[in-house]
Amino acid sequence: DAKTTQPPSMDCAEGRAANLPCNHSTISGNEYVYWYRQIHSQGPQYIIHGLKNNETNEMASLIITEDRKSSTLILPHATLRDTAVYYCIVRWQGAQKLVFGQGTRLTINP
Amino acid sequence: KAGVTQTPRYLIKTRGQQVTLSCSPISGHRSVSWYQQTPGQGLQFLFEYFSETQRNKGNFPGRFSGRQFSNSRSEMNVSTLELGDSALYLCASSLIDMNTEAFFGQGTRLTVV
Repeated sequence: DAKTTQPPSMDCAEGRAANLPCNHSTISGNEYVYWYRQIHSQGPQYIIHGLKNNETNEMASLIITEDRKSSTLILPHATLRDTAVYYCIVRWQGAQKLVFGQGTRLTINP
Repeated sequence: KAGVTQTPRYLIKTRGQQVTLSCSPISGHRSVSWYQQTPGQGLQFLFEYFSETQRNKGNFPGRFSGRQFSNSRSEMNVSTLELGDSALYLCASSLIDMNTEAFFGQGTRLTVV
């Protein structure tokens, strides 16, 4: 699985868009980008994933650059409940495990 | 539908003892994975089961083992507990494999004293 690099921490004001970057410069053609988050003392929660096209669901949007070497997770209107550690994971389709890095600790401030 | 259920939620054991943790996946999910989370090492993959077969194993000593039953429920066992085994143990289930969305349980917090 390709390695990912994320900033260790970020802050965002409540109600604003939170943009979380992830670098994955060694990603290969059949690897997907997944995002999970972990709210304190809970199990990780799936957010979104994509291959090369931008994706959107009820929780977030995922923007993947054309060269696929980086991506951005966008929480459009962050709330206090979005405070969590966000993990960017790159994995190929048949992989049977998730390889978690250190993630980004996102703090939403009132 | 019910989520992934892990029991017990909290456990305190003494060094040298053994422990068994249980995971009930979401109904219909056949893949179950286990992860260990510690402050120092973060989230690390232990093993993955599908249809009662272990398909993948992480880099953990043989003291860590698991199994999956015909109803997809899974257990993991740690023998000869060490202080360093204190961690949050998380179970995740998915329909077929981790290619599909994985749902995590709340975890079992194990403390070894």
